[in-house]
Amino acid sequence: DAGVIQSPRHEVTEMGQEVTLRCKPISGHDYLFWYRQTMMRGLELLIYFNNNVPIDDSGMPEDRFSAKMPNASFSTLKIQPSEPRDSAVYFCASRTLQGWKTGNTIYFGEGSWLTVV
Amino acid sequence: QQQVKQSPQSLIVQKGGISIINCAYENTAFDYFPWYQQFPGKGPALLIAIRPDVSEKKEGRFTISFNKSAKQFSLHIMDSQPGDSATYFCAASLDRGSTLGRLYFGRGTQLTVWP
Repeated sequence: DAGVIQSPRHEVTEMGQEVTLRCKPISGHDYLFWYRQTMMRGLELLIYFNNNVPIDDSGMPEDRFSAKMPNASFSTLKIQPSEPRDSAVYFCASRTLQGWKTGNTIYFGEGSWLTVV
Repeated sequence: QQQVKQSPQSLIVQKGGISIINCAYENTAFDYFPWYQQFPGKGPALLIAIRPDVSEKKEGRFTISFNKSAKQFSLHIMDSQPGDSATYFCAASLDRGSTLGRLYFGRGTQLTVWP
């Protein structure tokens, strides 16, 4: 069974350019999360969706960031325009509710390493 | 506001020793406490998790100790091995209400096990 698939794995872009990160969650999962990881701030939740609907986007740093989930198998995180301080690893993750005893496992992709120069 | 506080930030342990990472949480309604392990270049992956109805859970060399009254939980790695060198994150979640589905992560602990 394929895990969470992210693309691109690595991206180097110039300041001011638009960056689009893509994610395919695990089939059947109804929650999708976008996280950002930096040395300074650790793992930050940017936004998460339930059944393709954004539930909480309070972690999105500013208007330059936007996320969409047009269907259950695809999501994008867009940064426009990009800035050097956006350099980080961006993780997509997904899960489904399995009941109280089973737990709340979130499955992460391998991340998109973004460098803005 | 940090919902889950984790310490230490980094930890160096000799092979065969015990690694201990601590976490504290604020929200007494949290009802699920997982630990995630992250190797360089990879995404975090679930290592072990506990519900508040038990005080301890053990899986192989990994044990979670949970103290509900103190609002603290910890990860113990027995007989630490160089292959355990990774970043460990504690987390907490509330499986109901408006935050259903969301995990709150600690800042992470970078563990290095020397051979």
